[in-house]
Amino acid sequence: AAGVIQSPRHLIKEKRETATLKCYPIPRHDTVYWYQQGPGQDPQFLISFYEKMQSDKGSIPDRFSAQQFSDYHSELNMSSLELGDSALYFCASSFRGPLSTDTQYFGPGTRLTVL
Amino acid sequence: DQQVKQNSPSLSVQEGRISILNCDYTNSMFDYFLWYKKYPAEGPTFLISISSIKDKNEDGRFTVFLNKSAKHLSLHIVPSQPGDSAVYFCAATVSGNTGKLIFGQGTTLQVKP
Repeated sequence: AAGVIQSPRHLIKEKRETATLKCYPIPRHDTVYWYQQGPGQDPQFLISFYEKMQSDKGSIPDRFSAQQFSDYHSELNMSSLELGDSALYFCASSFRGPLSTDTQYFGPGTRLTVL
Repeated sequence: DQQVKQNSPSLSVQEGRISILNCDYTNSMFDYFLWYKKYPAEGPTFLISISSIKDKNEDGRFTVFLNKSAKHLSLHIVPSQPGDSAVYFCAATVSGNTGKLIFGQGTTLQVKP
């Protein structure tokens, strides 16, 4: 079965640079979520989109922005990168239509390293 | 404020025995709970979930129990296998809302052959 695809899998950037992370949800899923997992921490919710509209926002810095496109893929844009942004970034998708279960399926993650 | 807590950072069991992973939550609005398994450098893999209208859900070797009055849930793995060795995350959400998951800190399970 098709899973959530994230690219790139690894990314190395310098401080103050910009990064773009991409997420392709499971086919027919209409909701995308972004999570950040720091070293030794649990995943923290950043932002989510339902039917291409932002549906919720968590602890996402103002330097970060995201959107969901017409084909339901999503991109997380990160500017003015800081050392503390080094983390695993996960994308998850779900289907929120009738009889949905709120179960989210996660991609393999993008490991961002800021030097 | 940790709304979902997994108080045991690690657990070690013998192959073939039962593994019991525990999770507590504080937000009474949570009504849908999930367990994920995670290997290093991979994304969390969905294992099993339970709605607050139930107190037990079973899928093969995995059973999740929910005690709403105690705000406690547990994941039982029987029999445990070496391939079950991973980090297990408990997560909670308010169903029908935006769906964001609140995760516990995770428990590292080691199953010894």
